[in-house]
Amino acid sequence: GESVGLHLPTLSVQEGDNSIINCAYSNSASDYFIWYKQESGKGPQFIIDIRSNMDKRQGQRVTVLLNKTVKHLSLQIAATQPGDSAVYFCAENYGGSQGNLIFGKGTKLSVKP
Amino acid sequence: EPEVTQTPSHQVTQMGQEVILRCVPISNHLYFYWYRQILGQKVEFLVSFYNNEISEKSEIFDDQFSVERPDGSNFTLKIRSTKLEDSAMYFCASTRTGHRSYEQYFGPGTRLTVT
Repeated sequence: GESVGLHLPTLSVQEGDNSIINCAYSNSASDYFIWYKQESGKGPQFIIDIRSNMDKRQGQRVTVLLNKTVKHLSLQIAATQPGDSAVYFCAENYGGSQGNLIFGKGTKLSVKP
Repeated sequence: EPEVTQTPSHQVTQMGQEVILRCVPISNHLYFYWYRQILGQKVEFLVSFYNNEISEKSEIFDDQFSVERPDGSNFTLKIRSTKLEDSAMYFCASTRTGHRSYEQYFGPGTRLTVT
């Protein structure tokens, strides 16, 4: 397919393995973080969020870890499935904002059956 | 499950023409947003809207852009005089509460192609 602009990092995993997707955020004042999944031709889909007063939050098959010291966010997907194949974006928001999200570059996850 | 809808799915227009992109947010949501994503690039915030006025806008959202909530259901983005660089996917999003972007729900997007 077409590929212009930013080159996306790609993570390729075997079905059933765990996936870890990393994100470095930009603003030390950001205090709310979200992971979105974007499948081809669709809008971003909310996966999980975390506020800066937490280090870890778990959802169904997903865990988000926040390290404020190094401004790093990670998304762990357990038992990765072919349906998890998508581009994953982290997004941040800081208290001075009314709600605009600042998106990261994205990581393309490919799951091999 | 309620969802954000957008029309059209694809809009082709000539440079200099006006376009209106339409969105129907989730019915009990109060805060509305437009984002754009140039092919292969990051999703970028354009504008947020609450109580019939703009809450926040980015540098991208210049005088060529405007938003409106003409009735109780639609939320529109107008580009007055399109430029080639306006070609992108435009996503509408809505959320029940505005503070801290609580679970913004995104629509499927409108692909705008300016020729």
